[in-house]
Amino acid sequence: GEDVEQSLFLSVREGDSSVINCTYTDSSSTYLYWYKQEPGAGLQLLTYIFSNMDMKQDQRLTVLLNKKDKHLSLRIADTQTGDSAIYFCAENDYKLSFGAGTTVTVRA
Amino acid sequence: DTAVSQTPKYLVTQMGNDKSIKCEQNLGHDTMYWYKQDSKKFLKIMFSYNNKELIINETVPNRFSPKSPDKAHLNLHINSLELGDSAVYFCASSLRRRDTEAFFGQGTRLTVV
Repeated sequence: GEDVEQSLFLSVREGDSSVINCTYTDSSSTYLYWYKQEPGAGLQLLTYIFSNMDMKQDQRLTVLLNKKDKHLSLRIADTQTGDSAIYFCAENDYKLSFGAGTTVTVRA
Repeated sequence: DTAVSQTPKYLVTQMGNDKSIKCEQNLGHDTMYWYKQDSKKFLKIMFSYNNKELIINETVPNRFSPKSPDKAHLNLHINSLELGDSAVYFCASSLRRRDTEAFFGQGTRLTVV
């Protein structure tokens, strides 16, 4: 989507941390979201962050939000082969807009 | 229980045909969406309905016509199919029209030959 941008590919070794970045141009959304799409499946909500928070941790997932720079990131600790998927950041400001998706490949 | 279900899962058809994809959600949500995901995995919104009312209609050829008979259903009809219509089409729903997460169907892979 033109309002939300992401890098397209990330390759990471199993056990390392993955960091996926996202920038958005303008948002009055109350929440920002990360979705995961596994091969041949629909999108599933992974986590979200309230727009007045800087950080949210949920088990292996850490979301960081820098509202000044309009930058959102998702860190996956101890990346596993099951984390291989496409990750989309999204905002829902009357139009649920997605970034282009980052394909994460986990190598042994 | 499947929250958002779309049928069919796969659709192979010839150019020029007319086809429909059906979507139903049993979550009691007010808002439903149709997205197109191309071969590069970009997700583009096509339409959104809120309580059966069309609220988003992106730049989509008028061969594509959504229909929402009730709040729980949003169908997509495509006339005169073209090769470029080949993609995966996702239906989704959310509780409200903003600031809520969306739940997605499994997608319909449309192949036009």
